[in-house]
Amino acid sequence: EAGVAQSPRYKIIEKRQSVAFWCNPISGHATLYWYQQILGQGPKLLIQFQNNGVVDDSQLPKDRFSAERLKGVDSTLKIQPAKLEDSAVYLCASRRGGGQPTETQYFGPGTRLLVL
Amino acid sequence: AQRVTQPEKLLSVFKGAPVELKCNYSYSGSPELFWYVQYSRQRLQLLLRHISRESIKGFTADLNKGETSFHLKKPFAQEEDSAMYYCAPRVWGGYNKLIFGAGTRLAVHP
Repeated sequence: EAGVAQSPRYKIIEKRQSVAFWCNPISGHATLYWYQQILGQGPKLLIQFQNNGVVDDSQLPKDRFSAERLKGVDSTLKIQPAKLEDSAVYLCASRRGGGQPTETQYFGPGTRLLVL
Repeated sequence: AQRVTQPEKLLSVFKGAPVELKCNYSYSGSPELFWYVQYSRQRLQLLLRHISRESIKGFTADLNKGETSFHLKKPFAQEEDSAMYYCAPRVWGGYNKLIFGAGTRLAVHP
């Protein structure tokens, strides 16, 4: 099966600009995650969707970050306006969902964002 | 608060040497723990989960509830084991929410 797709792979913007990332999960996967991975740290969950509903967005900086998954398939994550500290790799992951909690999460290649 | 600690940022060994990547967690309840791995230029992927009690690529990990540890071990390291390794407990009651450690880079030298 095709893996999780993300675009763009790299993005360089200036602070206060806006940026959007796109993710297409594995076909049939109901659960979708967005993680932020700052250099030297592990991935941190930003938001989790179950189909098109938000399950957990407790660590999403809602004053500048937003995400949607309107049709329960692909998803976009937006930052507006960007800050220097948003420089990170943004990972998308998906899981089949609805089954055992230990189901594997499959990760995309990530989008590397640099804010100047 | 749930916390996972990987005390070593870098672990450097020679081929054939034993390897132990440490993971300690601070967690209430009965955790489920995972090890994820990221090889150079590849995606983050699941290596193993404690509930399966499996050995993957020669790696094993035992959950020690007394010491709240989930160390990853391999008796004889290979060069292809060089990668970033992340310990990740699953938050109980959450929708499969993982808390990742900061990671340990394993470098296996010939």
